[in-house]
Amino acid sequence: GQQLNQSPQSMFIQEGEDVSMNCTSSSIFNTWLWYKQDPGEGPVLLIALYKAGELTSNGRLTAQFGITRKDSFLNISASIPSDVGIYFCAGQLGDYQLIWGAGTKLIIKP
Amino acid sequence: DAGVTQSPTHLIKTRGQQVTLRCSPKSGHDTVSWYQQALGQGPQFIFQYYEEEERQRGNFPDRFSGHQFPNYSSELNVNALLLGDSALYLCASSPNQVPYGYTFGSGTRLTVV
Repeated sequence: GQQLNQSPQSMFIQEGEDVSMNCTSSSIFNTWLWYKQDPGEGPVLLIALYKAGELTSNGRLTAQFGITRKDSFLNISASIPSDVGIYFCAGQLGDYQLIWGAGTKLIIKP
Repeated sequence: DAGVTQSPTHLIKTRGQQVTLRCSPKSGHDTVSWYQQALGQGPQFIFQYYEEEERQRGNFPDRFSGHQFPNYSSELNVNALLLGDSALYLCASSPNQVPYGYTFGSGTRLTVV
């Protein structure tokens, strides 16, 4: 099925480091969403973006909706152990369907 | 306030069998979507139900069908199971208003042997 291009696939970082991940698409989206999924759980919404160029923060998380409406990035500042998990971007296609990236797995080095 | 509830949490079926998965939406939500998430992949949209009707469908065969009840709960049925149907099946509910704030359940892990 259709999938967004999400990178990197995984990241090994030290606690306290900043993290950046992004998503690109050949299609235009009107909404970009960033989710986090922990093992054995469903995705949990972190940030929703509704306008091209929009920059939105949620605590240590910041996300931007690209001007072309074909890309988005998520930054996490000063990472902590509970940030470990898989981060997904999703674009809303039409009114009802979400198209997802393959995820970025965040691992914190001990 | 209960979120989205899915049952069962785990299920093992044999190839060729049929399975029914259930979802109770978050209180106040009337729209239910189903997604299939293969290991190591993002979720793939199966379909969405609103007012007891399927209003959008993803690229899944007719073996995948669903139903929504008057209390907004929903079922996902899969017939003639294939090994490739093994996945985490996620239910997401939302109110029928833009922007759609989707809340996901923890999923049903289906293993086909």
